[in-house]
Amino acid sequence: GENVEQHPSTLSVQEGDSAVIKCTYSDSASNYFPWYKQELGKGPQLIIDIRSNVGEKKDQRIAVTLNKTAKHFSLHITETQPEDSAVYFCAASRGWGGGNKLTFGTGTQLKVEL
Amino acid sequence: DTAVSQTPKYLVTQMGNDKSIKCEQNLGHDTMYWYKQDSKKFLKIMFSYNNKELIINETVPNRFSPKSPDKAHLNLHINSLELGDSAVYFCASRGTADTGELFFGEGSRLTVL
Repeated sequence: GENVEQHPSTLSVQEGDSAVIKCTYSDSASNYFPWYKQELGKGPQLIIDIRSNVGEKKDQRIAVTLNKTAKHFSLHITETQPEDSAVYFCAASRGWGGGNKLTFGTGTQLKVEL
Repeated sequence: DTAVSQTPKYLVTQMGNDKSIKCEQNLGHDTMYWYKQDSKKFLKIMFSYNNKELIINETVPNRFSPKSPDKAHLNLHINSLELGDSAVYFCASRGTADTGELFFGEGSRLTVL
């Protein structure tokens, strides 16, 4: 089955700096890679996703890059703000329909300091 | 209007007891899931139902039994609770449309004493 590794487990940045979280996956057939943000006491929420037919996707301050050959993908957050503080999860699956199993990484606790 | 709602939010019980967690989604999605999040925040899939039919069943003890009376509801019953069952259990749903987004509930924190 799929195995997703995520680094770092904790990340502390100053407000306004950039943050980068990296993930690797094992299943070469995986083609869908979402990122979820989990705030304290809440369920995870999708912030951005990428499919294997593109190498990069951007949404305002958030961007995700994918290297299919190396089987790794990264989340980039620019101009970090205190409200970006949360746990971030990467994930991978074969397909994005309802019946596809999403495997999550181990999470990164991001802390944005004033 | 909550999209995926779980009850109860908190559950404290003794070892050996039986408990249930309920989940309902009003998004019209066909697929629902149960995920377990342990103390290290690791999210692991337990079960998935598509239109009331079990489609994913991970390596979970038989003490855990999901039930889906209709596609909007997915309940989780746990028998003979053990200390290691303490975790946050998340229900989620996912549509079959082009988006792959999982919609999570707010979680049910189970503490077994």
